Amino acid sequence: DGGITQSPKYLFRKEGQNVTLSCEQNLNHDAMYWYRQDPGQGLRLIYYSQIVNDFQKGDIAEGYSVSREKKESFPLTVTSAQKNPTAFYLCASSIVQLNSPLHFGNGTRLTVT
Amino acid sequence: GQQVMQIPQYQHVQEGEDFTTYCNSSTTLSNIQWYKQRPGGHPVFLIQLVKSGEVKKQKRLTFQFGEAKKNSSLHITATQTTDVGTYFCAGPRGGSQGNLIFGKGTKLSVKP
Repeated sequence: DGGITQSPKYLFRKEGQNVTLSCEQNLNHDAMYWYRQDPGQGLRLIYYSQIVNDFQKGDIAEGYSVSREKKESFPLTVTSAQKNPTAFYLCASSIVQLNSPLHFGNGTRLTVT
Repeated sequence: GQQVMQIPQYQHVQEGEDFTTYCNSSTTLSNIQWYKQRPGGHPVFLIQLVKSGEVKKQKRLTFQFGEAKKNSSLHITATQTTDVGTYFCAGPRGGSQGNLIFGKGTKLSVKP
């Protein structure tokens, strides 16, 4: 059954620590995305990638980093430079075609104290 | 910069009442997509509108795309408790394929 897997569902970290969120897809999609969701803020784009070994910053990339070494995987690292890291993080994928819809993972809720 | 705005932010209805959420873009859109996020869940694609003035229906849901392709609406007839969730509209970022800008969403609650 094809889909996007994000792990873990809940993640807790101490302030000052880097943390990496996993995102794997078996939909054979070329494009992958990371969104951040805060209450009342909708979904804001952090990074996206349309091809392996290439990625672009979204609207709120500061304090985050990504890699795209494999088509199936697009991990997101939340660094200690991110001032307000506590949020719900959503990974998505799509085919690279105009008007293609996004398929989302179940999300990771990160809490930093 | 390009913006997609949605109103209202919250809507509380009695079961059986109708519900409408409105989406407005600061730029003309090639298409608009609608997603639904159930409480505790992730956004799920509902529909895409492409043509000016297009109207599409999915059972009790009616989606419209404005003539100028800058606004859209989602109307739910006779809401049910299963309609609870947040509804997002999203439009493509100018000059970029597959990179969407989302509205902040309308959170719908339905009282049985």
